[in-house]
Amino acid sequence: GAGVSQSPSNKVTEKGKDVELRCDPISGHTALYWYRQSLGQGLEFLIYFQGNSAPDKSGLPSDRFSAERTGGSVSTLTIQRTQQEDSAVYLCASSLGPPNTEAFFGQGTRLTVV
Amino acid sequence: AQSVTQLDSQVPVFEEAPVELRCNYSSSVSVYLFWYVQYPNQGLQLLLKYLSGSTLVKGINGFEAEFNKSQTSFHLRKPSVHISDTAEYFCAQNTGGFKTIFGAGTRLFVKA
Repeated sequence: GAGVSQSPSNKVTEKGKDVELRCDPISGHTALYWYRQSLGQGLEFLIYFQGNSAPDKSGLPSDRFSAERTGGSVSTLTIQRTQQEDSAVYLCASSLGPPNTEAFFGQGTRLTVV
Repeated sequence: AQSVTQLDSQVPVFEEAPVELRCNYSSSVSVYLFWYVQYPNQGLQLLLKYLSGSTLVKGINGFEAEFNKSQTSFHLRKPSVHISDTAEYFCAQNTGGFKTIFGAGTRLFVKA
């Protein structure tokens, strides 16, 4: 597609439920990032995928969070047993791969846990 | 550990005044620096980037930034701001590895 696409754009879920957030990166981009942006906060790195390499999961805040990237393209971020503190905007970005290139961001998924 | 520090969380400024948004990065052998802008209810987009070469980098919308190795700074400047520049600005660093680190952001308010 023309840009990074994220779905859904908004998600309201009950505490304790599991949620899945989807990211479609730009075609041909081998690198994919997930970030979290809480209200009034900066960007928090969550996870990074680069080609077929093992992902960098060092930013995942707890074992309730996981992500996968199928076929080197679409990625899904899963949050199990959601908590109210998980409420945030989850941003996905992709880039061509070399670390010094621009990251293109999606519009984000706004997650609200009630 | 790699870190990016944006020294001001909020910067209020009057329209047509100059502005500087400050950013300090972590010293490293390889340094690649970026400024991104996030307009209200929109995603992030690249303003400018420093990869190598000239230390003065020009970006979109009249913004520029200067890479200063001795001070490990990459401050963003604009000589005359517009109301439409009201947004959140993020400084980011990559040291040649897999991860780009972002600063906490600076919220620029341009007042009429």
